[in-house]
Amino acid sequence: AQSVTQPDIHITVSEGASLELRCNYSYGATPYLFWYVQSPGQGLQLLLKYFSGDTLVQGIKGFEAEFKRSQSSFNLRKPSVHWSDAAEYFCAVEGNNDMRFGAGTRLTVKP
Amino acid sequence: DAGVTQSPTHLIKTRGQQVTLRCSPKSGHDTVSWYQQALGQGPQFIFQYYEEEERQRGNFPDRFSGHQFPNYSSELNVNALLLGDSALYLCASSFIGAANYGYTFGSGTRLTVV
Repeated sequence: AQSVTQPDIHITVSEGASLELRCNYSYGATPYLFWYVQSPGQGLQLLLKYFSGDTLVQGIKGFEAEFKRSQSSFNLRKPSVHWSDAAEYFCAVEGNNDMRFGAGTRLTVKP
Repeated sequence: DAGVTQSPTHLIKTRGQQVTLRCSPKSGHDTVSWYQQALGQGPQFIFQYYEEEERQRGNFPDRFSGHQFPNYSSELNVNALLLGDSALYLCASSFIGAANYGYTFGSGTRLTVV
């Protein structure tokens, strides 16, 4: 089955600084890739998704992600972080109607 | 258009008891997947239902079982509860004909086993 690795458990950035969250996946075929965000005690909200085509994907809240097949990566970026971006971020890969998640990266934003 | 609805939102059970969680999928969706999210961890896939049958299953014991009804709603049943079953249980729905559009998640049921 497919799998996802998010190497960073916790990241702290200052408000206004840029952000990159790492995601590596394992899947034998062309993956469908997703980033979700979760606020404490809440469900998962979809930020963006990649199926095919342009490898740079734009999402909501100013986030973008780049698919790099050669590196099996799908890193999430934001040029300027806002305090409201503090949350848990999950990368996911879907294959055969089966979605698997990484362990998540907790983002803390310093004032 | 309602999204995914889960009930109850919170639940406290005693070790050894049985629990049933419920999920109503988003309108137009026909597939329901269940996930367990322990505190500080990512969601772990339990199983997926389509056409009232279990299509796929993750690495969970038989104490975890489910059901899908003709209206596509679903139940997750857990028997002989253990303390380690305490978690947020998430339901996600999708349309199997366009599953690559991603899943829609409910807000979850927080289960506490004491």
